[in-house]
Amino acid sequence: AQSVTQLDSHVSVSEGTPVLLRCNYSSSYSPSLFWYVQHPNKGLQLLLKYTSAATLVKGINGFEAEFKKSETSFHLTKPSAHMSDAAEYFCVVSGSTSGTYKYIFGTGTRLKVLA
Amino acid sequence: EPEVTQTPSHQVTQMGQEVILRCVPISNHLYFYWYRQILGQKVEFLVSFYNNEISEKSEIFDDQFSVERPDGSNFTLKIRSTKLEDSAMYFCATSSGVWGEQFFGPGTRLTVL
Repeated sequence: AQSVTQLDSHVSVSEGTPVLLRCNYSSSYSPSLFWYVQHPNKGLQLLLKYTSAATLVKGINGFEAEFKKSETSFHLTKPSAHMSDAAEYFCVVSGSTSGTYKYIFGTGTRLKVLA
Repeated sequence: EPEVTQTPSHQVTQMGQEVILRCVPISNHLYFYWYRQILGQKVEFLVSFYNNEISEKSEIFDDQFSVERPDGSNFTLKIRSTKLEDSAMYFCATSSGVWGEQFFGPGTRLTVL
């Protein structure tokens, strides 16, 4: 079965400093992995996705993530945080059981950006 | 750019009432999903739907829930008799293929009083 673990429920950074949001996954086969962002009272916006192509994935708004199979990790990074990055971030792994293909969400990491 | 739309954006209902949440998929998409997010919690899979049948459903998706495509375009989630604990944001997602990327709608916030 597929699962995903977000290692930090809350992360605080100062504006202009790097962001690291950690995600580990478990999958019995080569997974597809995603990061979504959710701003308060808003829907889910796809930041980036990994689907077995390049292991370093670049997304929107300067975010990127690196797929590391040996570490079963897919951490999200950004070199310099902006106030507008404050939001909830979800790591997602695709899972297939019974022939269907569903998304399995992590519990989320709330990013706070300090001025 | 095509997008998934959902109506209403916010629904307030009394406990025990029936609600129908609507989703309009991207036009060539054939696979449909509902997810739920209780306030402050993670997003959870409810059900997947293809070829007018449920493909898979979670433990949350009990007999009070049903899905259908009544007119070949809308994809609906019905809750027959709402409970307080059904209060959540409900997201519709659609994809063009079984392994395809899922595109999410903006969500419907359901409040049960």
